[in-house]
Amino acid sequence: SQTIHQWPATLVQPVGSPLSLECTVEGTSNPNLYWYRQAAGRGLQLLFYSVGIGQISSEVPQNLSASRPQDRQFILSSKKLLLSDSGFYLCAWSTNSELRRGYTFGSGTRLTVV
Amino acid sequence: GNSVTQMEGPVTLSEEAFLTINCTYTATGYPSLFWYVQYPGEGLQLLLKATKADDKGSNKGFEATYRKETTSFHLEKGSVQVSDSAVYFCALIINDYKLSFGAGTTVTVRA
Repeated sequence: SQTIHQWPATLVQPVGSPLSLECTVEGTSNPNLYWYRQAAGRGLQLLFYSVGIGQISSEVPQNLSASRPQDRQFILSSKKLLLSDSGFYLCAWSTNSELRRGYTFGSGTRLTVV
Repeated sequence: GNSVTQMEGPVTLSEEAFLTINCTYTATGYPSLFWYVQYPGEGLQLLLKATKADDKGSNKGFEATYRKETTSFHLEKGSVQVSDSAVYFCALIINDYKLSFGAGTTVTVRA
């Protein structure tokens, strides 16, 4: 069966520090991968998605970047965190053949920038 | 473009009350429709889905029917429990890679 892992679960980082959040998927190949952010009390904002290794699409300009160094690994990064980067970050995956099944989400990373 | 509009919360109910969360959509083409649930401090879980008109998705006592004529996918549960307290998201996908979400509705069930 397919599983998705996201870590760390919680993170407190000072302003100006770097960030690296990791997401891996098991049990499937060539998944579509997504990073979402959920600010406190707000909806879901799609940040990045990837349909293949090395291919990244950015939905909104911001202080973050994403990379996909391996087929089932998706990394969210920042060189210098801002207070406004605080939020709940969710990774998700889907497959081209089963897009209409929707996404499967990870358990999320709660990031607090102080 | 494709979009989802769902009723604003928060919604507060007593246990065993009837829950309805309205969801309407705008889409070019024939979307698949979803309800996701987010329990406090957790990620999103797929609650139910429907892939074509008149399909009814159901799970954990929740139901939603894909109504093409009214472009709606309202979520209902006949008797809620405290454990149903969560944020509920309506969403759609067509043939691209991106799931479009509504803003979410926070539901609180009191004992």
